[in-house]
Amino acid sequence: GAVVSQHPSRVICKSGTSVKIECRSLDFQATTMFWYRQFPKKSLMLMATSNEGSKATYEQGVEKDKFLINHASLTLSTLTVTSAHPEDSSFYICSVAGPSSYEQYFGPGTRLTVT
Amino acid sequence: AQSVTQLDSQVPVFEEAPVELRCNYSSSVSVYLFWYVQYPNQGLQLLLKYLSGSTLVKGINGFEAEFNKSQTSFHLRKPSVHISDTAEYFCAVSDEDSSYKLIFGSGTRLLVRP
Repeated sequence: GAVVSQHPSRVICKSGTSVKIECRSLDFQATTMFWYRQFPKKSLMLMATSNEGSKATYEQGVEKDKFLINHASLTLSTLTVTSAHPEDSSFYICSVAGPSSYEQYFGPGTRLTVT
Repeated sequence: AQSVTQLDSQVPVFEEAPVELRCNYSSSVSVYLFWYVQYPNQGLQLLLKYLSGSTLVKGINGFEAEFNKSQTSFHLRKPSVHISDTAEYFCAVSDEDSSYKLIFGSGTRLLVRP
């Protein structure tokens, strides 16, 4: 499967600031990437589908102006949490869609804490 | 619409005992089914998947799962668990109608005790 990295692994930011999380596909050209959010002891919630060279598709209830997604190349997608608030604190995980569209390969996740 | 149900939020079991983690799904079309494992503060690792063919699927770390279409189930089993199997396990479903998005169950925490 594809190797996926995320940076940073952990980040602490102050309320009102913005933070960018990177998701990289290290050995595979990823046309499609996904961003998930996971609350403590909860399942993964799909936030958006990121397509290279086009706008992301957001799931219902996800604020596109707050969670900015950019997929400028076949190996990099970024998620920017704008004007972060403590309720944005969560574990954010990205995944890469494999050559067979039904497979996804997950990154190690980024723990965001907003103080 | 798809959905995945993992009825057991936590399954405690003694080391070397067998275990079954239950997963039921609902979908109106042909599905692809997955089991993922998540260790603390880590991403998801694929244990096994059912795409088509044989209904008994073998995965990594000695896990296997059986696709049962009539019961819409995809239960995960291991004949003898280790302490290191302690983790969160997620069942997920995908299909063509949903553009291959993964829908996850709520997860089952497997707690292996010595």
